[in-house]
Amino acid sequence: DIVMTQTPFSSPVTLGQPASISCRSSQSLVDSDGDTSLSWLQQRPGQPPRLLMYKVSKRFSGVPDRFSGSGAGTDFTLKISRVEAEDVGVYFCMQATQFPITFGQGTRLEIK
Amino acid sequence: QVQLVQSGTEVRKPGASVRLSCKASGYTITTYPIHWVRQAPGQSPEWMGRINAGTTNTKYLPKFQGRVTISREASTNTAYMDLTGLQSEDTAVYFCARGYIMNSGAFAYWGQGTLLIVSS
Repeated sequence: DIVMTQTPFSSPVTLGQPASISCRSSQSLVDSDGDTSLSWLQQRPGQPPRLLMYKVSKRFSGVPDRFSGSGAGTDFTLKISRVEAEDVGVYFCMQATQFPITFGQGTRLEIK
Repeated sequence: QVQLVQSGTEVRKPGASVRLSCKASGYTITTYPIHWVRQAPGQSPEWMGRINAGTTNTKYLPKFQGRVTISREASTNTAYMDLTGLQSEDTAVYFCARGYIMNSGAFAYWGQGTLLIVSS
């Protein structure tokens, strides 16, 4: 199974400042077609996860453009250019390149 | 718009079985795979399995093989997840999820979740 490792575990950020979350996979996420099925999800308490980014850097419909994704191979990053109060929650990376689909352990974003 | 609405909270004793449902609206359930994901308290999500679009081919996480069955009923546009041999470790919120577009490799649509409590 592909293991997804996120850092940091917790990220206290000042409102209006940038934030960055890293995700590393134990194997390359590039498939035989050259596609990379790495996505980022946000989860608020008591809610299902919400899709933010897919295919590494494609922003899902309705997601603010302060969110961006980058990376390739085994190393990926989610960046928030200016953190807003509504961004508080837990962020997960997920790979669907290979079964079984696996998730990172999560990064808790909190406001300082 | 695409919506997935799941059945309500279930409480079972160890050794029992449960069937959870996931009713789709806004699209035909046979046109996209449906995945089931569970999340124990304070843990990250865990993918359990999926039923394919078109055919009813299923794929499961090996740790659940033999205990889980994912199915769907086209006439009611509903997917189901049966889990047998319940243990306290199966206490979690169970989500159904659908991809954004075919081969997007991402879950854009999620049910609201069903809490399953396994306790004697």
